[in-house]
This record gives sequence, structure tokens and C-alpha cells, in this order.
Amino acid sequence: GAVVSQHPSRVICKSGTSVKIECRSLDFQATTMFWYRQFPKQSLMLMATSNEGSKATYEQGVEKDKFLINHASLTLSTLTVTSAHPEDSSFYICSARDRRTVPSGTFGSGTRLTVV
Amino acid sequence: AQTVTQSQPEMSVQEAETVTLSCTYDTSESNYYLFWYKQPPSRQMILVIRQEAYKQQNATENRFSVNFQKAAKSFSLKISDSQLGDTAMYFCAFMNSGGSNYKLTFGKGTLLTVNP
Repeated sequence: GAVVSQHPSRVICKSGTSVKIECRSLDFQATTMFWYRQFPKQSLMLMATSNEGSKATYEQGVEKDKFLINHASLTLSTLTVTSAHPEDSSFYICSARDRRTVPSGTFGSGTRLTVV
Repeated sequence: AQTVTQSQPEMSVQEAETVTLSCTYDTSESNYYLFWYKQPPSRQMILVIRQEAYKQQNATENRFSVNFQKAAKSFSLKISDSQLGDTAMYFCAFMNSGGSNYKLTFGKGTLLTVNP
């Protein structure tokens, strides 16, 4: 089945630094990838949709200059949190869509970001 | 815009018994998918079951089945013979199949606890 690898699973960084999170589709080509943010005991909030080779589409209220998304290949999308602050601490999850199968996509295992 | 409502923030069930989780949605679209996702303590999102709106037959996957009432815009999940491993947060989700963005809209989730 479709497998999505997300790395790192946990990261701690200092305020003001940038952090990059990777999302890879291991056995399929993902033309579309999604990035979500999840606060404790809450639902997933879609941040942006990225299509291979084009600019990401951000949801309303998401700062595109702070959350940089790159989808340079059919198997890799990255989310970079720039100039991180403690309020950016959260759980970030990616999802990659395999157009051959279920259209809802397959989720990565998530990244817990803590900004100190 | 679509909305998904899960009216039960928490539920509990005894091992081996049956439990039903509720989900209602609102949309003006005619073609769409509905999903139930499970998020255990590991926080990995796992697809439990999906339903295409054009199919009248309710989807089933082993111990998991849905009651899809299109006119009522209701999509409940029934878990039979509950197991301790079913303890998780369950999210109902909607996707418009007529568009090209494949976005998922999630409900707020129901925390299910299976007691021994």
C-alpha cells in the first residue's frame, strides 16, 4: 500500500531559527500533498495544498512567508517554519495523494515541533 | 463551504460491545466522498472506512460499518465487537469529488475509549 514518510518525528528548536520538515511518498508519485496543523485534542487544520512544480495554495489565515512549502518533485514536499516562535509549537502532519487509489491521500506520521 | 459535525466529543464502550459514532455534514455538492479516520495515541492518521456518495450500499470493513443517509446528510460509524486497540480519536471527513483540489474537511473528532 501507499506509504508516506515524514521526518523528523520530533524537533526542538530555539526561537528565531528555522525548521524544515520533510514528507516523502515512498512507493508512489504524489502530485498533490497537503500540510496540516493539529493542536492538542483538536482536529486537523489544513494549512496548504502543494502541487508538484507549482506554488503552494495556502488556506486563509496561514502566513505563506512563515510557512514555506516546496514540492519540487513527485515524491517530496517540505515545510519550513521560518523564524519560529513558541506559538508555532504544534503537531504538523502531511498527506500525499496517490491518484491511482483512494483520493483522500495517505498521511505521514507527523512531526511534533517544540520552539523554546 | 462544507461543514462536518461530530456531536459526541467523548464516548466509551465496554470491550466486545458495539458503539456508534455520529457524524453529520452539510454540502450543496452531489458527488463526494465521506471518510472515517482513526487517530490512536501514536497520532498516526489511519483510514478506517470510506463511502462514495453515489453508492447506496453502506460500506463495511470487517468490524467497521457505516450508516450513510444521504438525504439526511448523516454518516455514522458502527464498531462491532469493540477491542482495546480501538481506543482512539475518530474523525469524520468530507471530500468533494467533483473538484480538483481533493481537500478534506474534518469534524472535531470523537474520543472513543474501550474499557476492559
